[in-house]
Amino acid sequence: EIVLTQSPATLSLSPGERATLSCRASQSVSSSLAWYQQKRGQAPRLLIYDASNRATGIPARFSGSGSGTDFTLTISSLEPEDFAVYYCQQRSTWPLTFGGGTKVEIK
Amino acid sequence: EVQLLESGGGLVQPGGSLRLSCAASGFTFSTYAVSWVRQAPGKGLEWVSSISGGGGSTFYADPVRGRFTISRDFPQNTMYLQMNSLRAEDTAVYYCAKAQSGSRYYFDYWGQGTLVTVSS
Repeated sequence: EIVLTQSPATLSLSPGERATLSCRASQSVSSSLAWYQQKRGQAPRLLIYDASNRATGIPARFSGSGSGTDFTLTISSLEPEDFAVYYCQQRSTWPLTFGGGTKVEIK
Repeated sequence: EVQLLESGGGLVQPGGSLRLSCAASGFTFSTYAVSWVRQAPGKGLEWVSSISGGGGSTFYADPVRGRFTISRDFPQNTMYLQMNSLRAEDTAVYYCAKAQSGSRYYFDYWGQGTLVTVSS
């Protein structure tokens, strides 16, 4: 099973600041990685797929990078609605796995 | 508009059974894989099971293999998760989710979730 480790667990930032979230895989997943945003009481929303492609309707301030075992989600300038929990997910190998999540909170 | 609507959650005793349903609309049901993802209270996301578009391939996470069965009914555009021998650790919100395209197992649409509580 591929383990995805997300860091940091919590990121405390102010609106307008840049957020950099990390996801590290225990073995290579090539570019088969996605990022999701989940707000309290809501289902997750797909942000990024194949490591760097924005999903439909996702603002340009969200970007993804990386391949192999190290991946980054960057939010260039935090909007109030971006404070949420973010998860990475790999589809390279069964079983599908998610990272433990990074909470982006208001500082 | 793509919609996924889960139902069937509730309170069940340890060792009991429950069947979850996910009614799909707004897309060609037989073209896309669909999956179940769960989230225990206050915890992260955990993939549970997936079924291919045609229904011929099924996949399970180790904690549920042999206890849960995924299936889909094409005339009804509905996916099911039969859950047997339930344990306290199965307590979670269960989401159904649609694959982004064909068999690409990223989840681009999600239901609102149904809560399963396993407790005596």
